[in-house]
Amino acid sequence: DVKVTQSSRYLVKRTGEKVFLECVQDMDHENMFWYRQDPGLGLRLIYFSYDVKMKEKGDIPEGYSVSREKKERFSLILESASTNQTSMYLCASSLVSGSGQPQHFGDGTRLSIL
Amino acid sequence: AQSVTQLDSQVPVFEEAPVELRCNYSSSVSVYLFWYVQYPNQGLQLLLKYLSGSTLVKGINGFEAEFNKSQTSFHLRKPSVHISDTAEYFCAVIVNTGFQKLVFGTGTRLLVSP
Repeated sequence: DVKVTQSSRYLVKRTGEKVFLECVQDMDHENMFWYRQDPGLGLRLIYFSYDVKMKEKGDIPEGYSVSREKKERFSLILESASTNQTSMYLCASSLVSGSGQPQHFGDGTRLSIL
Repeated sequence: AQSVTQLDSQVPVFEEAPVELRCNYSSSVSVYLFWYVQYPNQGLQLLLKYLSGSTLVKGINGFEAEFNKSQTSFHLRKPSVHISDTAEYFCAVIVNTGFQKLVFGTGTRLLVSP
C-alpha cells in the first residue's frame, strides 16, 4: 500500500512565523500535491510537483511556496503565517500523469495560526 | 473550466436504508472520475474510480457509482448503509491532460443514525 506521511497532525503557530509542513511518500511517485481543505469549499490545490525541483502553481498559491529536493519529499512553506491560513492541509502523491492514476493522501495537518 | 458539483452538503439517513450521493461534472472532453471518502480526522481514501469501459463501477465497502455521459453525472450509491459509513464524501474529476490535477466537489456529509 502507498504510504503518504505528513510530519504533524496538529500544529499551532503565531502570525508572522515561517511555517514548514513536511510530506513524505514511499512509493516512488512522480507527482506530489498540496491542498488545503476548508468547510464548504472542499479541497483546493495550492501547489503541485511533477518531478524533483519542478513545481507548478495550483489554484490558491498566494502566501505559500514549496520545495522538492528529493523525489519522496514535498514541503509546503508559509513564508509569513497569517490567521487566514488556519486550515487543514493535505498532501497527496500519484504516479505519472495521463492515465487516470488516483492520488493517495496523507492524514492531514490541522494548522492553527494565532 | 472543469468543475464538479455536489448538490447536497449533508445527507441524513437511517441505518440499513439505501443512499445516493449526487455528483455532476462539466466537461466537453473525456474525463476520469473518482469518489473519495474522508472519515473524521483522517485523510481521503479512494472509494472507486471510472476511467473507461462499463459505466457501473464497484468500489470498496459496498459502494458503487454509475457514469452517465448524457447527464454528466457520477452518482454514488449504496443499497444499505451502516453507522460506520458516516463520513464526508468527495467527488472529483481529472481532465485528460498531461498533469493529474484533480478538481474536487465541495463534499457531502453522510450522517447515518440508528
